[in-house]
Amino acid sequence: GQQVMQIPQYQHVQEGEDFTTYCNSSTTLSNIQWYKQRPGGHPVFLIQLVKSGEVKKQKRLTFQFGEAKKNSSLHITATQTTDVGTYFCASKAAGNKLTFGGGTRVLVKP
Amino acid sequence: DGGITQSPKYLFRKEGQNVTLSCEQNLNHDAMYWYRQDPGQGLRLIYYSQIVNDFQKGDIAEGYSVSREKKESFPLTVTSAQKNPTAFYLCASSIGGSHHSYEQYFGPGTRLTVT
Repeated sequence: GQQVMQIPQYQHVQEGEDFTTYCNSSTTLSNIQWYKQRPGGHPVFLIQLVKSGEVKKQKRLTFQFGEAKKNSSLHITATQTTDVGTYFCASKAAGNKLTFGGGTRVLVKP
Repeated sequence: DGGITQSPKYLFRKEGQNVTLSCEQNLNHDAMYWYRQDPGQGLRLIYYSQIVNDFQKGDIAEGYSVSREKKESFPLTVTSAQKNPTAFYLCASSIGGSHHSYEQYFGPGTRLTVT
């Protein structure tokens, strides 16, 4: 079945620095969604990308969908302690299912 | 307030006992889902339901059962046949149907510990 792979699995970031996490698939994706799960919490929807090459921004977060619709990235600028958590990408599978990536766990060093 | 509720937040059971986790939503969503999350891992789909009185197995359905008798409710039973039931269980819902957006709304989760 369809799989999405996320790299890196862990990201240690100095507060104030930028970082990027990636989501890759071997097959063309119909869409890509990003979720954030704070430690001890539940996943919360951040954004959905549908179009080839689409770029969307939410304050310090920039989301991009690849031209071939096989990969996506999340770039965070000037990381803050509030950015701590696990970021998951997910893509629509058959029916109304979502296939989730394994997540990137972000730790911020003050 | 609209949302998804799961109860209880923490649940402890003895090995060999069945246990049912509650999930209720008042978002009027057609689709509901159950995921399992192990420490430091991603989300794995157990069961999902696109409409009342219908549900399908996900990737790890063995040892679990569900029912969907009402639109707002999708309880999950963890049976004694589930070999490693200790985990964090998340329920989610989405508009479903042919709607373009399939964003899912998650409940707060239930942490099940079986000893």
